[in-house]
Amino acid sequence: QQQVKQSPQSLIVQKGGISIINCAYENTAFDYFPWYQQFPGKGPALLIAIRPDVSEKKEGRFTISFNKSAKQFSLHIMDSQPGDSATYFCAALRPSGSARQLTFGSGTQLTVLP
Amino acid sequence: DTGVSQDPRHKITKRGQNVTFRCDPISEHNRLYWYRQTLGQGPEFLTYFQNEAQLEKSRLLSDRFSAERPKGSFSTLEIQRTEQGDSAMYLCASSLAPGQHGANVLTFGAGSRLTVL
Repeated sequence: QQQVKQSPQSLIVQKGGISIINCAYENTAFDYFPWYQQFPGKGPALLIAIRPDVSEKKEGRFTISFNKSAKQFSLHIMDSQPGDSATYFCAALRPSGSARQLTFGSGTQLTVLP
Repeated sequence: DTGVSQDPRHKITKRGQNVTFRCDPISEHNRLYWYRQTLGQGPEFLTYFQNEAQLEKSRLLSDRFSAERPKGSFSTLEIQRTEQGDSAMYLCASSLAPGQHGANVLTFGAGSRLTVL
């Protein structure tokens, strides 16, 4: 069962443009929503994260928008740069017994053209 | 401390052989996680440890898989009688314990890529 659905699968943006990646979740027990960035041959690295009591969080060129009622959240990359070309994963964290388990979306491969 | 280290980075094996991966977490992190990532997919949770105790295992972790963290520091993930379907990237991550500032942040290693021929 895919608990976090991510779209699009791939995205091509011109340099300077806005990249938008969307995610939807099902489990209302999720209480922390991070975005991870992964470059080829590397592990995922935390980019930015948000809690469901906040509707927006901005860090530099990266913004998360969160809609709790719709159970959706999105990542916006402003002024996209070729160096942003990577795979982006949304994720959701929930308590699971004594653990806190991270559930990932399927990923979006972003290509920023120079 | 330079982050989470995984070894080997790449492993090619024949079907039926056993393989073992090692993970060295960030030293002050007492939680350690194993994830599996197949091509074009997000990482999937396999198991996690708090110190030396294995507290949760995913149903993805079949009987052929075993993970240990004997002294609460490094961890090993062994796959016995490998199958072609085991081909994937095996990612290790570590974090602080709940209640500590930053406990929600998982730091991942670069992964160990397994190819089963």
